[in-house]
Amino acid sequence: DAGVTQSPTHLIKTRGQQVTLRCSPKSGHDTVSWYQQALGQGPQFIFQYYEEEERQRGNFPDRFSGHQFPNYSSELNVNALLLGDSALYLCASSYLGTDRNTEAFFGQGTRLTVV
Amino acid sequence: AQSVAQPEDQVNVAEGNPLTVKCTYSVSGNPYLFWYVQYPNRGLQFLLKYITGDNLVKGSYGFEAEFNKSQTSFHLKKPSALVSDSALYFCAVRDNAGNNRKLIWGLGTSLGVNP
Repeated sequence: DAGVTQSPTHLIKTRGQQVTLRCSPKSGHDTVSWYQQALGQGPQFIFQYYEEEERQRGNFPDRFSGHQFPNYSSELNVNALLLGDSALYLCASSYLGTDRNTEAFFGQGTRLTVV
Repeated sequence: AQSVAQPEDQVNVAEGNPLTVKCTYSVSGNPYLFWYVQYPNRGLQFLLKYITGDNLVKGSYGFEAEFNKSQTSFHLKKPSALVSDSALYFCAVRDNAGNNRKLIWGLGTSLGVNP
């Protein structure tokens, strides 16, 4: 049973460019959350997708957008990249369904470096 | 507002000694509490959770945590530390009101176990 998978593992982009990060949730999970983790910091919640809709959003600008597909996989898009967007981007999946108690499982993350 | 505090940036213990990593929280409703561990350049791994029931929760790798409602704390403990336990530990809380599934994270505590 595959866990949460993210791609790519590492990425280098130039300021002003756009980037797309991908996430496949753990089998049986229907909810995907994205987090940004700067060096030495805890994860910061970006947004969460369920049933192909953004359900909750953290304090991130509109440059950060996402999508969830019918197979529950998800993409995180960041436009007009800034140097400050350099971070580890983590995807977490969980199951909403009728059980709201389940813990989230995390992927290994995508290390984005903006130069 | 929901918040999580990990008052210690760094905890150092000798191998074989007991360890404690502290966490306090603030939520408006009943909390769901989680501990995760993160190794360098890796995603977060779930250790244990408190949802309801017994205040002492046992998790992976010999870790346990005690929920204390009056002190709003959820400290992580292990009776005998291993060098391989050296990592970054994060406490997270979720207010279970409504469909809120956003995890609020502490800033992390770096645990060093000395041989």
